[in-house]
Amino acid sequence: SQQGEEDPQALSIQEGENATMNCSYKTSINNLQWYRQNSGRGLVHLILIRSNEREKHSGRLRVTLDTSKKSSSLLITASRAADTASYFCATAMEYGNKLVFGAGTILRVKS
Amino acid sequence: DGGITQSPKYLFRKEGQNVTLSCEQNLNHDAMYWYRQDPGQGLRLIYYSQIVNDFQKGDIAEGYSVSREKKESFPLTVTSAQKNPTAFYLCASSMTGITYNSPLHFGNGTRLTVT
Repeated sequence: SQQGEEDPQALSIQEGENATMNCSYKTSINNLQWYRQNSGRGLVHLILIRSNEREKHSGRLRVTLDTSKKSSSLLITASRAADTASYFCATAMEYGNKLVFGAGTILRVKS
Repeated sequence: DGGITQSPKYLFRKEGQNVTLSCEQNLNHDAMYWYRQDPGQGLRLIYYSQIVNDFQKGDIAEGYSVSREKKESFPLTVTSAQKNPTAFYLCASSMTGITYNSPLHFGNGTRLTVT
């Protein structure tokens, strides 16, 4: 299976609710990155969290990293219809100079 | 505004024809990448380049070729040897290279359909 795997595969929530997406990985990393992709478009970088960091915030986004569990979560608070997109985690592996993308979580925010 | 421009947005080709996808960046980034995206899958790296006149194969380079004659440009050719070329192709760039210590900036992709 892939280095980075997102969970759930799909998530549907009401506007105003919080959305949480999880990412698990297998090998040691230098950093973990979250990206958003609107339908038919390129990916947009959201947050990069380094292996020695535990939490980062950017506006309504909060990312946590637990290297002991090899997992990360992305929390979007007070979601909006415009947050509807696919969200990908990408792990920069500590050895081998690779950035591996997961298959993504499809988020639908209903207004 | 700085960014990455991919063209065309949609491309249709007959089987057996080579096709070239364009990628131009004005971010002054040294590193550039080509990814392939298939439905329900993560991005897979085709080729990357850290400097002009140098490029390296990624995980799925078979059936593809690239060139890097200018810092700003990194075109991808999908050859007739690529067994399943229909996909969404994304070009990206970054300030740092394959250590991935800085985020990737992506273009808006080219959707290639081969029939």
